[in-house]
Amino acid sequence: DAGVIQSPRHEVTEMGQEVTLRCKPISGHNSLFWYRQTMMRGLELLIYFNNNVPIDDSGMPEDRFSAKMPNASFSTLKIQPSEPRDSAVYFCASSFRVRLDGGGGSYEQYFGPGTRLTVT
Amino acid sequence: GENVEQHPSTLSVQEGDSAVIKCTYSDSASNYFPWYKQELGKRPQLIIDIRSNVGEKKDQRIAVTLNKTAKHFSLHITETQPEDSAVYFCAASWGGKLIFGQGTTLQVKP
Repeated sequence: DAGVIQSPRHEVTEMGQEVTLRCKPISGHNSLFWYRQTMMRGLELLIYFNNNVPIDDSGMPEDRFSAKMPNASFSTLKIQPSEPRDSAVYFCASSFRVRLDGGGGSYEQYFGPGTRLTVT
Repeated sequence: GENVEQHPSTLSVQEGDSAVIKCTYSDSASNYFPWYKQELGKRPQLIIDIRSNVGEKKDQRIAVTLNKTAKHFSLHITETQPEDSAVYFCAASWGGKLIFGQGTTLQVKP
């Protein structure tokens, strides 16, 4: 198994530009999570999907951030327009869950290698 | 919402000594508590986890204990080695997701 795949691994862009981060979860996993990691704020959950449906997006900073999961094997996180304070490492993680109330499946989340985003 | 507090933020030990990292959580409904290790520039990797129906779990040099009444859980690393140096994160499940602590930077001095 290739594990969770993210692209690009590094992204450098100018303020105001659109940025799209991509994630391919582990085959068979039905839950996908987007995290942002900074020194100041640690590891923050931005949004998560279950069976391709967004379940909780309360961590999305503002309207400039959007995420989609058009099918079970692909998700995107888009920032438009980007700002310097968006500079961080963005991780995608996946797991297998049968139910959202804690029953069934596994909570274990497997992280991708991350995308290091720098907005200048 | 759920909150996870992790202490200490930094920990320095001599090689061979033990290291203990502690976390507390706020929601008594949490039932899954993983620990992740993150080396510099790498992704967080699951090293051990425990579910609420178990009080202790051990895997070679690492162990985790859970006190549901007090709502805290701890990671214990024995016979520490320089390669144990990393940032360690605890987490608690809540509403189908994981809430992470702020992390502990462990330095093992040879």
